[in-house]
Amino acid sequence: NAGVTQTPKFQVLKTGQSMTLQCAQDMNHNSMYWYRQDPGMGLRLIYYSASEGTTDKGEVPNGYNVSRLNKREFSLRLESAAPSQTSVYFCASSGPPPLRVDPTDTQYFGPGTRLTVL
Amino acid sequence: QQQVKQSPQSLIVQKGGIPIINCAYENTAFDYFPWYQQFPGKGPALLIAIRPDVSEKKEGRFTISFNKSAKQFSLHIMDSQPGDSATYFCAASRIRGSYIPTFGRGTSLIVHP
Repeated sequence: NAGVTQTPKFQVLKTGQSMTLQCAQDMNHNSMYWYRQDPGMGLRLIYYSASEGTTDKGEVPNGYNVSRLNKREFSLRLESAAPSQTSVYFCASSGPPPLRVDPTDTQYFGPGTRLTVL
Repeated sequence: QQQVKQSPQSLIVQKGGIPIINCAYENTAFDYFPWYQQFPGKGPALLIAIRPDVSEKKEGRFTISFNKSAKQFSLHIMDSQPGDSATYFCAASRIRGSYIPTFGRGTSLIVHP
């Protein structure tokens, strides 16, 4: 049980290049999310997917697209990277936590992708 | 508009001290308040969470205090240890519907030996 996995771990792009960040979860969760984390700004939601086949914009969607490929996989694409997109990107999924009395959904985060756009 | 305000931005304590991190929210529809802990180079992980029907929740050395009328909640770390050094995020969400928490901006905690 790997939880939430992300690839790649690190990436350097030049302005205008494109790339896709991959995310997969093996917890059979319906909901998946993409966040970016910048110093002093906390975690900001880019896009989320409440279930397979649906996606919705979050707080900072401009410059990004997403694809919910199946229940396990949720990818984030930068079509034309800009220096303002330099950040650490986290994928997460949510579902009922095991072994907890409180059944409220819990988010599980991947290890992150550190992206630098030159 | 920042819906969840977290303070302080950074905090330094000695081993054994009791760091306190505060959060305030605006949306009275929020009814679930988790705290996440993030170590350098790792993703955040759920630490402890509370619902507004209780004023306090303890799990080990971690305690959440909740004040519904003031729309504030705080994390206390008892007998803090160097291994508690991490960034802590508070969050607020609604239980019904899609689970989409709103995060505070984080507090960087350093516990000196």
